[in-house]
Amino acid sequence: DQQVKQNSPSLSVQEGRISILNCDYTNSMFDYFLWYKKYPAEGPTFLISISSIKDKNEDGRFTVFLNKSAKHLSLHIVPSQPGDSAVYFCAASAGSGNTGKLIFGQGTTLQVKP
Amino acid sequence: GAGVSQSPRYKVTKRGQDVALRCDPISGHVSLYWYRQALGQGPEFLTYFNYEAQQDKSGLPNDRFSAERAEGSISTLTIQRTEQRDSAMYRCAVVLGQLMLGFGQGTRLTVV
Repeated sequence: DQQVKQNSPSLSVQEGRISILNCDYTNSMFDYFLWYKKYPAEGPTFLISISSIKDKNEDGRFTVFLNKSAKHLSLHIVPSQPGDSAVYFCAASAGSGNTGKLIFGQGTTLQVKP
Repeated sequence: GAGVSQSPRYKVTKRGQDVALRCDPISGHVSLYWYRQALGQGPEFLTYFNYEAQQDKSGLPNDRFSAERAEGSISTLTIQRTEQRDSAMYRCAVVLGQLMLGFGQGTRLTVV
């Protein structure tokens, strides 16, 4: 069973607008969540994270929101830029941030059009 | 990528053959992780090491898969009697910070 789900395989937005990528999870033991970005022919790279004790974390144009009651998190990119075009993976951990054992979603391909 | 070198980058093998995939964490990281990524999916945890000790191998699909890490940091993931369903990208990763994994470029394995 898929414990971390990204139900939208792809998303297309116009440059300058907001991109919202969604992620749902089923395991209530998850206590740390991350987003990774992947360009073609490269490995995934860390983007932003959030602990379950918070509901929002912001880093520049990127903000992650966590709704524990709904078991839902989202990544907002504002404003979106063409260089943001990539595959975005949501990931979760039940290890209190102590290990790199992560459960990943299937990924959402974001295309930002100039 | 991320101070992790993997070889080979591409490997095509015939069904039934054994393959060995190599990971060299260039900067000597304590923890080393192996993930597998099927086409159109996210990375899937296989196993990890602290130093040369294998801490968790719960993600290895079956006993055809094994991994070791020699003293000195290089790790090898071995798949015996390969099957077509083993075709995937195999990625090695190291911990750069709290849960911040740095992934290598991976080895694309194709079993024909």
